[in-house]
Amino acid sequence: RKEVEQDPGPFNVPEGATVAFNCTYSNSASQSFFWYRQDCRKEPKLLMSVYSSGNEDGRFTAQLNRASQYISLLIRDSKLSDSATYLCVVNGVNTGFQKLVFGTGTRLLVSP
Amino acid sequence: SAVISQKPSRDICQRGTSLTIQCQVDSQVTMMFWYRQQPGQSLTLIATANQGSEATYESGFVIDKFPISRPNLTFSTLTVSNMSPEDSSIYLCSASSGTVYEQYFGPGTRLTVT
Repeated sequence: RKEVEQDPGPFNVPEGATVAFNCTYSNSASQSFFWYRQDCRKEPKLLMSVYSSGNEDGRFTAQLNRASQYISLLIRDSKLSDSATYLCVVNGVNTGFQKLVFGTGTRLLVSP
Repeated sequence: SAVISQKPSRDICQRGTSLTIQCQVDSQVTMMFWYRQQPGQSLTLIATANQGSEATYESGFVIDKFPISRPNLTFSTLTVSNMSPEDSSIYLCSASSGTVYEQYFGPGTRLTVT
């Protein structure tokens, strides 16, 4: 089983739609969780950290469910500029807490 | 967040040659990492660059193929040695500081081996 699993998509949504991605992780001892965004031919950029209590940043909401070992990202009122690949990232446990393990990413396409 | 630059941004190299990629951070950081991202795939960690000591390599990566230096807290290099077409990839460096695990990435080096 992969350490971090995501639906690769693509998710095709119209502008203004709400879209949600889920990600599951295998190691219950993981402590830190992130969503990164990667545009085509660009480096990954940190979108938001995911806290146990959930957190919101504008149109983006991230939630963590430790019992079920999944992380979610909700995007409201989608914009064309939200089109990108969203990477679920978890800190490594067996290989050192400061190392990050990246999911394969979920591709989002927002159309006019 | 730290600002990270990489040189070169891209290169086309012949098989059997070596390329050294430089990574510069605009502030002192605790940890620096090197990743590889092959087309259509996610990031794979190559190694952790340790300041003043040998890098820590992940399974499947060895020092002879990917020697790494980190002479200070803001700079690191990755060399891809004796290149083959299978080494064609994007190589990214990242950095993190203190006790947080967030990492910030350089723009990457796109390597093509012919």
